[in-house]
Amino acid sequence: GAGVSQSPSNKVTEKGKDVELRCDPISGHTALYWYRQRLGQGLEFLIYFQGNSAPDKSGLPSDRFSAERTGESVSTLTIQRTQQEDSAVYLCASSRRQGNIEAFFGQGTRLTVV
Amino acid sequence: QKEVEQNSGPLSVPEGAIASLNCTYSDRGSQSFFWYRQYSGKSPELIMSIYSNGDKEDGRFTAQLNKASQYVSLLIRDSQPSDSATYLCALWAGGSYIPTFGRGTSLIVHP
Repeated sequence: GAGVSQSPSNKVTEKGKDVELRCDPISGHTALYWYRQRLGQGLEFLIYFQGNSAPDKSGLPSDRFSAERTGESVSTLTIQRTQQEDSAVYLCASSRRQGNIEAFFGQGTRLTVV
Repeated sequence: QKEVEQNSGPLSVPEGAIASLNCTYSDRGSQSFFWYRQYSGKSPELIMSIYSNGDKEDGRFTAQLNKASQYVSLLIRDSQPSDSATYLCALWAGGSYIPTFGRGTSLIVHP
C-alpha cells in the first residue's frame, strides 16, 4: 500500500475486555515496530519484527500484551484483560530493512479503556 | 543506556523567524539520525534524515549533525504557524535495530 495502515482508528473498550489492533506495513518493508504513546508523553517502544526472525519483545510492559506477524505482512497487537492504564495511542511503523533506515508511521489506533 | 535528549519547550518564535531545535545523544556509535514532526493528535511524520557530519538542506528545513559533539539540530527558516508542532529527534544507536526517540520539543510559531 501507499503507507502504513492501522485499524481501527479508534477503539473504546470496557476494562477487562481483550482488544486486537492491526497494522498493515508498507509493501516491501521487512521491519515493523509497535510503539505506545500516552497523552502528552513520548514514544514507548513495545515490540519489533524483522522478516521471519524472532521478534524483539523487550518493550512489552506485561504478559497481557502480545503481538504476531506472519512473514512480512500484517501484524496484530493484542491486549488481554485491558486496564485503564492501557489507554493510549498505539503506533505502528515500518521500514525497508533493519537498522539505520527511515521508519514511517501509520495514523495510530487511539485506545480508550473505560 | 541509549538516550536522546531534547528540550521539551515550548519554543516560541515569531512568524518568519528561524526556529532552532536541538537534540543530544549519548551513544557515540549512533549512525543515522532523523527528525519527525508530530501535530497534536496525529502520528509522527518523517521530515529529515541525516547520516554524515555537516548540513543537509531540504526546502526550509536544514538538519545539522556533529558526531564529535554528539548533537543533531533542525533549523526551520521562515517559520510559519503551520510549523507549530512537536518535533521528535530519533536515531539508530550503534548495534541496535530499534530507533530511539527523544521526547520531543514543542514549537509554537505565532503570527
